[in-house]
Amino acid sequence: KQEVTQIPAALSVPEGENLVLNCSFTDSAIYNLQWFRQDPGKGLTSLLLIQSSQREQTSGRLNASLDKSSGRSTLYIAASQPGDSATYLCAVWTGNQFYFGTGTSLTVIP
Amino acid sequence: GAVVSQHPSRVICKSGTSVKIECRSLDFQATTMFWYRQFPKQSLMLMATSNEGSKATYEQGVEKDKFLINHASLTLSTLTVTSAHPEDSSFYICSARDSRGPSGYTFGSGTRLTVV
Repeated sequence: KQEVTQIPAALSVPEGENLVLNCSFTDSAIYNLQWFRQDPGKGLTSLLLIQSSQREQTSGRLNASLDKSSGRSTLYIAASQPGDSATYLCAVWTGNQFYFGTGTSLTVIP
Repeated sequence: GAVVSQHPSRVICKSGTSVKIECRSLDFQATTMFWYRQFPKQSLMLMATSNEGSKATYEQGVEKDKFLINHASLTLSTLTVTSAHPEDSSFYICSARDSRGPSGYTFGSGTRLTVV
């Protein structure tokens, strides 16, 4: 069964820092991987989608990479801002369902 | 882009009552919708896959008689938590895929259910 792990579970950084969130998955047979943002008590906002054939995707200050063979993905956030504070979830799509990580809770300190 | 509307966003109910949560695809048709549950500090877990016009498929360990799913149209799926108990208190999220584009799945805004 697919298992998705995110490290660290929580992260606190001062405003302006660049940071990296990590996601690993146990079964490389995936169609794509998505990074989501979840604000407290809210639903999910899709940030980046990487197809299994892709290596990375960029959107603004966000860059996500995917190494499917090693079962790893990273989300890079440049020049972090207090508004980036949220929980970040990665999820792999196997063709049948999503498997979610437990998330990284990010706090950006002004 | 694709929008999924989920209602209500919060609900408090008494133990033993039933609660219905709606999930609508606003600008696209969704033959399949998914229902997830998220306990505090835990990941989202798939509960069931809702298929328009047919019975839902439930994940192992999810009671189908307790969590009734109806997908009567291409834009609406409902999840009814029957005879709710405090342990059913959780965050429920639905999602659907817009087949028109490659952008993956769109998620509703979630429903915070508290059973007292």
